[in-house]
Amino acid sequence: DQQVKQNSPSLSVQEGRISILNCDYTNSMFDYFLWYKKYPAEGPTFLISISSIKDKNEDGRFTVFLNKSAKHLSLHIVPSQPGDSAVYFCAASEGNTGKLIFGQGTTLQVKP
Amino acid sequence: EAGVVQSPRYKIIEKKQPVAFWCNPISGHNTLYWYRQNLGQGPELLIRYENEEAVDDSQLPKDRFSAERLKGVDSTLKIQPAELGDSAVYLCASSLVGYEQYFGPGTRLTVT
Repeated sequence: DQQVKQNSPSLSVQEGRISILNCDYTNSMFDYFLWYKKYPAEGPTFLISISSIKDKNEDGRFTVFLNKSAKHLSLHIVPSQPGDSAVYFCAASEGNTGKLIFGQGTTLQVKP
Repeated sequence: EAGVVQSPRYKIIEKKQPVAFWCNPISGHNTLYWYRQNLGQGPELLIRYENEEAVDDSQLPKDRFSAERLKGVDSTLKIQPAELGDSAVYLCASSLVGYEQYFGPGTRLTVT
């Protein structure tokens, strides 16, 4: 059973526009959520996170929104840049287990 | 600061052969993780170490997989014997405190 789902395998946007990546989860015990970015032949790199006690966290061009009632989070990138082209994974953690559950990933392509 | 180091980066072996992966975490990081990432999927946790103790190995296929973290620093993950289905990217990650994990570049294993 997939506890963290990214239903869009890919997304293509024009440079300068907004990119919105979505993630759904089923486990209501998750209390911390993270987004990772992955370039080919590299490991995932941490991008931004949010605690379940918040509904928004912003870091420069990146904003993560959390809707606990819908068990949904999204990552907004504004403005999108060609260097943002990568695979984006959302991940969730329950309590202080240290265990991250990852979604399947969404491949973002930002066209110049 | 050096990141997580993994070797080898690529490995091709025939089925039934043994294989080992090595990981050196970020200096001072007490927690070390091994993940497996299948094509088109997100990373899945195999084992988590707190210093030299394996605190979560519930997802490690113990009939053929083994891991060790002697002296609480470097770690080795072994598969013996390898099967075709073991072809994947094996990622090592480390963390100090909190939920943010830092990943190495991974080892891409191909079993023929």
